[in-house]
Amino acid sequence: QVHLQESGPGLVKPSETLSLTCTVSGDSIGFSTYYWGWIRQPPGKGLEWLGSVYYSGSTYYNPSLKSRVTLSVDTSKNQFSLKVTSVTAADTAVYYCARHLATYFDYWGQGTLVTVSS
Amino acid sequence: YELTQPPSVSVSPGQTASITCSGDSLGDKYACWYQQKPGLSPVLVIYEDVKRPSGIPERFSGSHSGNTATLTISGTQAMDEADYYCQAWDSTVVFGGGTKLTVL
Repeated sequence: QVHLQESGPGLVKPSETLSLTCTVSGDSIGFSTYYWGWIRQPPGKGLEWLGSVYYSGSTYYNPSLKSRVTLSVDTSKNQFSLKVTSVTAADTAVYYCARHLATYFDYWGQGTLVTVSS
Repeated sequence: YELTQPPSVSVSPGQTASITCSGDSLGDKYACWYQQKPGLSPVLVIYEDVKRPSGIPERFSGSHSGNTATLTISGTQAMDEADYYCQAWDSTVVFGGGTKLTVL
């Protein structure tokens, strides 16, 4: 069974950088044919995809956020990471990591709430 | 690119619920569906238009005609009350706005 777990600060100050890591178990990022993605959900709102990364480091991003989002992967730790720069209150959301196979996400983490506030 | 879902759908227990997802050129893309209950992560219930992941009850089914994909729940149960999101791939990942299914 594939399991994903998000980790990182739950509170980030405005204008700073949000950083989260997703640790994968039950699958090996380095040998997987899947991409690994990040999705967020502001309180009471819908889902928004941020981007996805392959084990090789190849990435693709949501065009509306591309200038502020960076994804990376660490196959030695079986982890992948998200950075969002210059955050504002609008970036307050539950952030999910998920395994991404072409047209769908089949396994999701439990999500972590990140609040942007001074 | 946008996917449009009705904000809410109501159904009586035991009846059939249908949730639609429409978008330009959706006809040449695969759609999938997620169920999300309060406080929980989304769960994939249909992928590639009509396929059901292991462990998803048979009462969940998907269809796709033209630019509209449809999630159908037959014999709806109280436990099916949740938010449902469609999603497609069009050079980027796109989610629909979500539909709140109420089982009255």
